Amino acid sequence: AQSVTQPDIHITVSEGASLELRCNYSYGATPYLFWYVQSPGQGLQLLLKYFSGDTLVQGIKGFEAEFKRSQSSFNLRKPSVHWSDAAEYFCAVGGNGYGNKLVFGAGTILRVKS
Amino acid sequence: NAGVTQTPKFQVLKTGQSMTLQCAQDMNHEYMSWYRQDPGMGLRLIHYSVGAGITDQGEVPNGYNVSRSTTEDFPLRLLSAAPSQTSVYFCASSYSLWETNTGELFFGEGSRLTVL
Repeated sequence: AQSVTQPDIHITVSEGASLELRCNYSYGATPYLFWYVQSPGQGLQLLLKYFSGDTLVQGIKGFEAEFKRSQSSFNLRKPSVHWSDAAEYFCAVGGNGYGNKLVFGAGTILRVKS
Repeated sequence: NAGVTQTPKFQVLKTGQSMTLQCAQDMNHEYMSWYRQDPGMGLRLIHYSVGAGITDQGEVPNGYNVSRSTTEDFPLRLLSAAPSQTSVYFCASSYSLWETNTGELFFGEGSRLTVL
């Protein structure tokens, strides 16, 4: 069965520092991978997605993620964090045979220190 | 453009009561789904639909009922509410499962349900 692990429940970084959020997945075929962001009291917004091709994908708000098949990982990165990036981040996996039924990780809460 | 609209945003129920969470989308998406979000557990799929008249169970369907009579609407019914159903519920939609799709789910803003 497909699954997603986000090892870090909370992460705190200083404004201007770099950020990496970890995501490991388990999926039997070629995965479709997503990162979503949720601001307090809001729905989820898509940051970026990987379907195929270049393993380094760019998203909105200056985020990027790298798909590493050998490590079953899809870590999210940002070179310089802004206070407005404080939110909860979810990694999700789906696939061609799995359709649009995404399986989500437990989430990582990002706090930004000024 | 409204996107995915959920009502109500907040609801308090007593154990045993029933209610319906409404979800409507105006993007002509064929795929619609309901997730529940609980602290430390991410989002878990309750039910989904790949088109009008077609529904199926997700990971945690017990205690919930759905129907899909139109493309636009996908209500979630709680038949007899239990405290374990206290959660935040999200409706999400996307283009058809069978098309070359982006896989992007568009989410509503959520409905926070408390069962006493």
